[in-house]
Amino acid sequence: AQSVTQPDIHITVSEGASLELRCNYSYGATPYLFWYVQSPGQGLQLLLKYFSGDTLVQGIKGFEAEFKRSQSSFNLRKPSVHWSDAAEYFCAVGARQAGTALIFGKGTTLSVSS
Amino acid sequence: EPEVTQTPSHQVTQMGQEVILRCVPISNHLYFYWYRQILGQKVEFLVSFYNNEISEKSEIFDDQFSVERPDGSNFTLKIRSTKLEDSAMYFCASRTQGAKTQYFGPGTRLLVL
Repeated sequence: AQSVTQPDIHITVSEGASLELRCNYSYGATPYLFWYVQSPGQGLQLLLKYFSGDTLVQGIKGFEAEFKRSQSSFNLRKPSVHWSDAAEYFCAVGARQAGTALIFGKGTTLSVSS
Repeated sequence: EPEVTQTPSHQVTQMGQEVILRCVPISNHLYFYWYRQILGQKVEFLVSFYNNEISEKSEIFDDQFSVERPDGSNFTLKIRSTKLEDSAMYFCASRTQGAKTQYFGPGTRLLVL
């Protein structure tokens, strides 16, 4: 069955520290991969996406993610976290047929301590 | 930058009542989606819509749900007889022809009492 696993429900990071949020997927073929962020009371904002090519992709707000086919992973990273990064982060996958439904992970809540 | 908008932002209704959630997709987008997120759970796909037809729907999208594009700008989700378990955040999303990225609206939080 197709699924996305985000093993960390809640992570707390000190401001200025580095961050890595994990995402593993189970899919029949290499899907399209996305990270979305949801700030309190807000909708889902696209952080970055991977379709093909360079396996290290850059996104907005200083985030990057690396696709590792051998590990079926698409982990999100940021070298230095800011207090405004506190939010919920969702990894999602979609089939290579454009337009199919996205499958989301359960999300990781990031708290930033000062 | 164009955005997907949704109204209302919050809605409270009584069990058994009909609700209509409204979305205005980005203007040149042709594919539309509804997802929902029950509190504390993952975002789940409900339905996709293209060319005035449902393209795909999940098992959640039963006969109580319907979607419509009543005019050139709005895309609606109707729940005919709401149940307590319909309480959730409902997200609308849209994308252009051939694109892979779906853009999400801010959501409507529905509370069924």
